[in-house]
Amino acid sequence: SQKIEQNSEALNIQEGKTATLTCNYTNYSPAYLQWYRQDPGRGPVFLLLIRENEKEKRKERLKVTFDTTLKQSLFHITASQPADSATYLCALISGGSYIPTFGRGTSLIVHP
Amino acid sequence: DADVTQTPRNRITKTGKRIMLECSQTKGHDRMYWYRQDPGLGLRLIYYSFDVKDINKGEISDGYSVSRQAQAKFSLSLESAIPNQTALYFCATSDPPGTSSYNEQFFGPGTRLTVL
Repeated sequence: SQKIEQNSEALNIQEGKTATLTCNYTNYSPAYLQWYRQDPGRGPVFLLLIRENEKEKRKERLKVTFDTTLKQSLFHITASQPADSATYLCALISGGSYIPTFGRGTSLIVHP
Repeated sequence: DADVTQTPRNRITKTGKRIMLECSQTKGHDRMYWYRQDPGLGLRLIYYSFDVKDINKGEISDGYSVSRQAQAKFSLSLESAIPNQTALYFCATSDPPGTSSYNEQFFGPGTRLTVL
């Protein structure tokens, strides 16, 4: 069956370091992969999208990589700040309906 | 004003009661979705609608029904609420394929529902 895996354990890092979150998937051939940020008690907010034929995408301090051979995406936040503390969700989109399927998310805690 | 609004924001109800959650959007999107989020289980799709006349079941539609009253409004009903429907419910909207932002979902603030 299709599966999206994100680390269920929180990632704790020091301010200024690079945070790296992982999204692995099986039995899936996504056309696109998205990353969302979710703060407690709020709806997810879209951050970045990467297509299957793209290796890397950047937006300000954010970088996403997409390896369809490894079936993995890495999400990096450089020069992390306490305000980056949140849960980050990856979502896979297959062609056709273009409806995303979400992973469970990984909590990031950036310590000052 | 928020682009996607949900009412109520919090609701406590009893087993067996009928309850409706409402979603409105001002983004002009044709596509609307209802998700529920449970700790450790992530976001799961309940129902989705690609336009006013198009309603589709998602991954976990049992026990739920929906109504698309207009392009801007999409309601979720629990006909007879049960405790395992206690969760955080989100409405979302998106553009269809072919538009510039069609792969981005815009979420409402959520409704926290507790069924006793």
